[in-house]
This record gives sequence, C-alpha cells and structure tokens, in this order.
Amino acid sequence: GAGVSQTPSNKVTEKGKYVELRCDPISGHTALYWYRQSLGQGPEFLIYFQGTGAADDSGLPNDRFFAVRPEGSVSTLKIQRTERGDSAVYLCASSPSGVRGHEQYFGPGTRLTVT
Amino acid sequence: QKEVEQDPGPLSVPEGAIVSLNCTYSNSAFQYFMWYRQYSRKGPELLMYTYSSGNKEDGRFTAQVDKSSKYISLFIRDSQPSDSATYLCAPWETSGSRLTFGEGTQLTVNP
Repeated sequence: GAGVSQTPSNKVTEKGKYVELRCDPISGHTALYWYRQSLGQGPEFLIYFQGTGAADDSGLPNDRFFAVRPEGSVSTLKIQRTERGDSAVYLCASSPSGVRGHEQYFGPGTRLTVT
Repeated sequence: QKEVEQDPGPLSVPEGAIVSLNCTYSNSAFQYFMWYRQYSRKGPELLMYTYSSGNKEDGRFTAQVDKSSKYISLFIRDSQPSDSATYLCAPWETSGSRLTFGEGTQLTVNP
C-alpha cells in the first residue's frame, strides 16, 4: 500500500516568510509524528498526534512552530517568521497507534531552505 | 550527554565483510530498540527492531541488545554495495511517544 507522503519535497523561502509543510500518513494509522533532521544528525522529535490532538508537543523549538491535524489524517506543520536556522529536512512518520509507536514509518521528507 | 550515542563513522568495508554497528544509551526506560536505514536524500526506513534484551535475526541482519550494559548492535553479514547507507539506532520507551535517534553511522560497502 501507499506509504507516508510529504509535500512539497523541496521548499525555498526567504527569511521572515511563512511556510506550510504537509504530511499524508499511511491510511488507518492513528499516530503521526514530526521530526527535523539537520545535516549529519539523526532526526529530532518535534510533535506527536494521537488522532486529532497533539499528545506531545514538547519538541517544538519555539512558538513560531505549530502543527495541526484537524481530521485525524493529514497534518500540516506551520512555521512563522522563518529563520536561516530553520533550514533542515522535516520528516513525518506515522504508526498504527500510539501503543505501537515503536513502528514508525517515515515519509521522504521536505527539504526546507531559508535564504 | 546525549541519550543515545552512535559513532558517526564513516565506515568503509569491502563487499562480503561482516559489519558491526553500535550504539550506547543512558535511559533505562527504553524497551524497544529500532534500527533504521537511510539512503542519501531519502527518509529513514525501518529495518528491524527488538524488544528488551536479546537477539533478533532477519536475513543477513542481526540486532542485539544488552540492557545491562545499555549497548545496542546491528550486524550485517555478507555486506553488499546496496547496503551503503546511514544506519540509525532509535530506542523507544512504551510510556513515551518519540523515537530518540543516534547520530547515525555512514556505511560504504565497496565492490
């Protein structure tokens, strides 16, 4: 079946602009996660959704970052007033449930470049 | 100190070699131990995982966990050029949500 998909695959934006990154999880997966990966590093956790609600947003670096999942499927990560330090690959993952959070399946990522 | 430590390499081996990749961790609450493979400019791909201590084998891959020493290993037998990728260990605690990734080890298998 279809895996996790993310759009756009690449996004270049100017410092100070607003961006939205989209994630389509595997059908039927109730748990959804966002991570950020900088060059040469492992992914770092941002936020976890169980259904429509953010169950753990402790990884969001500051209040410029926000994510939603209004219908419990597609999720959007929103970044306001982008900074050059936000440049990274943003990865989305989904798992069948929170209890099976060890089985996280990742999308290809969105490569964000802030100029 | 990071919760999960992994030697970033790079590691270069000839085709057919046995490869050993390792991580150490500090959080005793970790119960599941995942290994992901990540090709260049792709998302991480779940290779295999083990629960608690012990070994698990899947084809040419063997994952090993020693909770007493907080040591995680992945062995690759008869390595192939197609195994060239970055390998990430990622433990998980059942009461939590996030995977905690190591830095990743970059492996190159030379034909």
